[in-house]
Amino acid sequence: AQSVTQPDARVTVSEGASLQLRCKYSSSGTPYLFWYVQYPRQGLQLLLKYYSGDPVVQGVNGFEAEFSKSNSSFHLRKASVHWSDSAVYFCVLSATGGYKVVFGSGTRLLVSP
Amino acid sequence: DPKIIQKPKYLVAVTGSEKILICEQYLGHNAMYWYRQSAKKPLEFMFSYSYQKLMDNQTASSRFQPQSSKKNHLDLQITALKPDDSATYFCASSQDEGWQDTQYFGPGTRLLVL
Repeated sequence: AQSVTQPDARVTVSEGASLQLRCKYSSSGTPYLFWYVQYPRQGLQLLLKYYSGDPVVQGVNGFEAEFSKSNSSFHLRKASVHWSDSAVYFCVLSATGGYKVVFGSGTRLLVSP
Repeated sequence: DPKIIQKPKYLVAVTGSEKILICEQYLGHNAMYWYRQSAKKPLEFMFSYSYQKLMDNQTASSRFQPQSSKKNHLDLQITALKPDDSATYFCASSQDEGWQDTQYFGPGTRLLVL
């Protein structure tokens, strides 16, 4: 069975501070992992994705994520957040890249001035 | 210009009625998808189509029927609407089937069933 857990429903950080959003996954097959962001009243936009290779993947707008097989995690990071990063972030899992995907419940990020 | 168009943006319906949600993509993609996002559940995958053929259906209810009249269209017909169907429905597309290709999402249709 596949599952994705985002343990933090809400995260608040100050502008300019560093950020980590947590994602834990469970997959019986090879995991394909993604981070998507949803800005208010918009659809989802891909930040980054991981299939294989270097466990640290770079995404758009300064985001990166690190895959850890031993910890079953795919945490999202950013060195310095901007107020425009305020949004909901979803961790997504697809086993072996098929159609069946599982979304995490999302983490709402609020960047305070 | 928006590459994935969803119509209408907002929709209010009465219980028991039928509605069609429209999705058109102008990205030249071969695969299209529907997702649902409700207040009570995480984003849920509903359907995937590739070259106008149904590839996967994760929706238990037959009240939800995708319709593909053209390769770049994937509408969603919902019959016998219930209040629990209230959600935002997102259409997405990718170059080819599966999640190896990046999926691009439309802005969504927000449905409220009274």
